[in-house]
Amino acid sequence: DIRMTQSPSSLSASVGDRVTITCRASQTIITYLNWYQQKPGKAPRLLVYSASALQSGVPSRFSASGSGTDFTLTISDLQPDDFATYYCQQSYSSPSTFGHGTKVESK
Amino acid sequence: EVQLLESGGGLVQTGGSLRLSCAASGFTFSRCAMGWVRQAPGKGLEWVSSISGSGAATFYADSMEGRLTISRDNAENKLYLQMNSLRVDDTAVYFCAKDRYSPGSHPTFDYWGQGILVTVSS
Repeated sequence: DIRMTQSPSSLSASVGDRVTITCRASQTIITYLNWYQQKPGKAPRLLVYSASALQSGVPSRFSASGSGTDFTLTISDLQPDDFATYYCQQSYSSPSTFGHGTKVESK
Repeated sequence: EVQLLESGGGLVQTGGSLRLSCAASGFTFSRCAMGWVRQAPGKGLEWVSSISGSGAATFYADSMEGRLTISRDNAENKLYLQMNSLRVDDTAVYFCAKDRYSPGSHPTFDYWGQGILVTVSS
């Protein structure tokens, strides 16, 4: 199975900060990489698919890039609504696997 | 508006079975693969299973293969997950999710249900 390693596991940030989360795959996944946001008690929300394509309705302060094994999700101007846990997911090969998540907390 | 509503969860003893259902609306069901993702209490997301839009192709997580059957009824816009030989570590919230694509082989979930709790007790 492809292992997805996210870093950091958590971070503290303030409104207005620029936040970057990284995700590394244990083998190449080309650009079969998705990012989700999840708030406590809620279902995940797709933010980015195919490594860099923003899902409809996702604010433009979110951006993502990468290919092969290394990927990043950036929030350029952190807003109060962005405090949540973020997961990457590889959809290159079965079984699809998620990273362990990055919790973005308020400093 | 896309809506996904899970049902069929609850408390079951070790070794028991459950059948989860997901009623879908607001999109052309047969054109989209569907899947199940679970989340154990306080833990991260784990992909469980996917099925292609036609139902011809199915995919399972290694941890549950042999104990699961995913199926769908495109006439009724419903997705199912039959779970057998349940274990305590299968306890989780199970989410039904719509795939952006039809094949199911590259699961990318753009809409999710609210989730349903499955508790397996010994």
